[in-house]
Amino acid sequence: GAGVSQSPRYKVAKRGQDVALRCDPISGHVSLFWYQQALGQGPEFLTYFQNEAQLDKSGLPSDRFFAERPEGSVSTLKIQRTQQEDSAVYLCASSFGDWEAFFGQGTRLTVV
Amino acid sequence: SQELEQSPQSLIVQEGKNLTINCTSSKTLYGLYWYKQKYGEGLIFLMMLQKGGEEKSHEKITAKLDEKKQQSSLHITASQPSHAGIYLCGAGRGGSQGNLIFGKGTKLSVKP
Repeated sequence: GAGVSQSPRYKVAKRGQDVALRCDPISGHVSLFWYQQALGQGPEFLTYFQNEAQLDKSGLPSDRFFAERPEGSVSTLKIQRTQQEDSAVYLCASSFGDWEAFFGQGTRLTVV
Repeated sequence: SQELEQSPQSLIVQEGKNLTINCTSSKTLYGLYWYKQKYGEGLIFLMMLQKGGEEKSHEKITAKLDEKKQQSSLHITASQPSHAGIYLCGAGRGGSQGNLIFGKGTKLSVKP
């Protein structure tokens, strides 16, 4: 595709509900990143894939967060048993090796 | 761990005025990135600086990295309403260029 595509754009979840956020990177981009951006803050790194391999998941805040990229293309970030503190914009970015990363528009998650 | 501090946190300028945003790192920078974000949207890559003393320009935006590689500035000349948004500086954490730590951002408003 022309850019990084994320879906849904907006998600409202009841506390305790599981959610799945999808990221379609730019075709051919090897690296894929997930970030969490709380209101009024800069993005914070969650996890990084190179192809299908998850090379760094040090930023995942708890074991309720899980990310996968099974075929080295589309990625899904799953949050189980959502809590209010999970409310944020979740950004996905992709890059071709060492070139600059391109970000998607993000998914705004609101937990009520 | 490395931290990036941006100043000012927010800025309101009259259209046509010049402005500068600063980004200071607690450690030596090995790659400093500037991104722009509009509300509800993803990050748009502006520029990347790597060498001490490096300066890059694109249209009316100039970014500089100091000789010690711990501070960067973003200067906008003759600001326009289209420049409004949140400006974020990011520093490489190693590995791919999408693996970044970000400052909290500077919110720029341009009054017509």
